[in-house]
Amino acid sequence: AAGVIQSPRHLIKEKRETATLKCYPIPRHDTVYWYQQGPGQDPQFLISFYEKMQSDKGSIPDRFSAQQFSDYHSELNMSSLELGDSALYFCASKTQGASYNEQFFGPGTRLTVL
Amino acid sequence: QKEVEQDPGPLSVPEGAIVSLNCTYSNSAFQYFMWYRQYSRKGPELLMYTYSSGNKEDGRFTAQVDKSSKYISLFIRDSQPSDSATYLCAMGVGVSGGSYIPTFGRGTSLIVHP
Repeated sequence: AAGVIQSPRHLIKEKRETATLKCYPIPRHDTVYWYQQGPGQDPQFLISFYEKMQSDKGSIPDRFSAQQFSDYHSELNMSSLELGDSALYFCASKTQGASYNEQFFGPGTRLTVL
Repeated sequence: QKEVEQDPGPLSVPEGAIVSLNCTYSNSAFQYFMWYRQYSRKGPELLMYTYSSGNKEDGRFTAQVDKSSKYISLFIRDSQPSDSATYLCAMGVGVSGGSYIPTFGRGTSLIVHP
């Protein structure tokens, strides 16, 4: 079965650079969530989109922005990268018609900021 | 103090043992309780979810919620080496516009040795 696809899987950037992470949800899923998971930490919710509109906002820094496109894929744009941004970034998707809890997670993008 | 507390472990058990994983929480408004399993370098995978106090069983897994004590547990019977992973508890307040944002615990690393 198709799963959530994230690209790239690994990304190395230097401080003050920018990064763009991409998420391709499961087909027919209309809701996308972004999470940040630091080393040994729990996933922290960043932001979510439903039908291309932002639906919830969590602890996303002002340096980050995100959007969902007409094909439902989503991009997380990160600017002025800091060392503390090094983390695993997960995308999850679900369909509004499914049970509340059925978020399917992608494999994550490991971002390393040097 | 974090809203959700979870011992990071590691918890090491022999194959066939009964495993007990636990989380405590402080937000009495939490209504949804879930357990995710996360293998190394993979995204979290939903294992169990429940909305109420009591037990919910699914194969070798039993989720238990005690709202009066703000305490949830996941029991794994007849544990297998393939169960070795990090187990994250997650819980949420409710639904906002159809979306659901869980608060995660830090995860407990489980090692089942043959």
